Amino acid sequence: GAGVSQTPSNKVTEKGKYVELRCDPISGHTALYWYRQSLGQGPEFLIYFQGTGAADDSGLPNDRFFAVRPEGSVSTLKIQRTERGDSAVYLCASSPQGGLASDPNNEQFFGPGTRLTVL
Amino acid sequence: LAKTTQPISMDSYEGQEVNITCSHNNIATNDYITWYQQFPSQGPRFIIQGYKTKVTNEVASLFIPADRKSSTLSLPRVSLSDTAVYYCLVGRKGNNNDMRFGAGTRLTVKP
Repeated sequence: GAGVSQTPSNKVTEKGKYVELRCDPISGHTALYWYRQSLGQGPEFLIYFQGTGAADDSGLPNDRFFAVRPEGSVSTLKIQRTERGDSAVYLCASSPQGGLASDPNNEQFFGPGTRLTVL
Repeated sequence: LAKTTQPISMDSYEGQEVNITCSHNNIATNDYITWYQQFPSQGPRFIIQGYKTKVTNEVASLFIPADRKSSTLSLPRVSLSDTAVYYCLVGRKGNNNDMRFGAGTRLTVKP
């Protein structure tokens, strides 16, 4: 079956612009996660949705970052007034039930990511 | 918070067995140990998970000693396609910000 898909695969924008990154999770997965990965680092947790609601948004770095999942499926990560430091690969993952990636029987399935470059 | 420590990088040759050890001295009673693999330009992929002793699947084995303060991911007979970054995760249930991938171990398999 289809895995997690993310669009666009690459996004180049200018400092100060607004961007939206889209994630299509695996059908039927109730949990959806956003991570950010800088070069040479592991993924950094941003936000976790259980259904339509954000169960944990403690990883969002500041109020320029916002994410929605209005129908409990597709999610959009929105970044306002982008800064050069926002440049990274933004990864989305989904899982059948939710919780930590290290919780028992909660394998997270990751998409290929969106590479965001802020000039 | 169960912080993990792994070697930054390892080199191996095709056909060899590779063992990557992860230290997690502050692991809590309810914590599981999970390993993910990440190829270049892809998201991480679940490899294996365990709680104690030994777990084996078609990809790898995971060895966990009785004190659970470390774990070893064992990849039998590696091939060039096993070149990737391997992450050890030990998280605290209920707090996603505790689930840190860290920098992982960059494994390079040479011909």
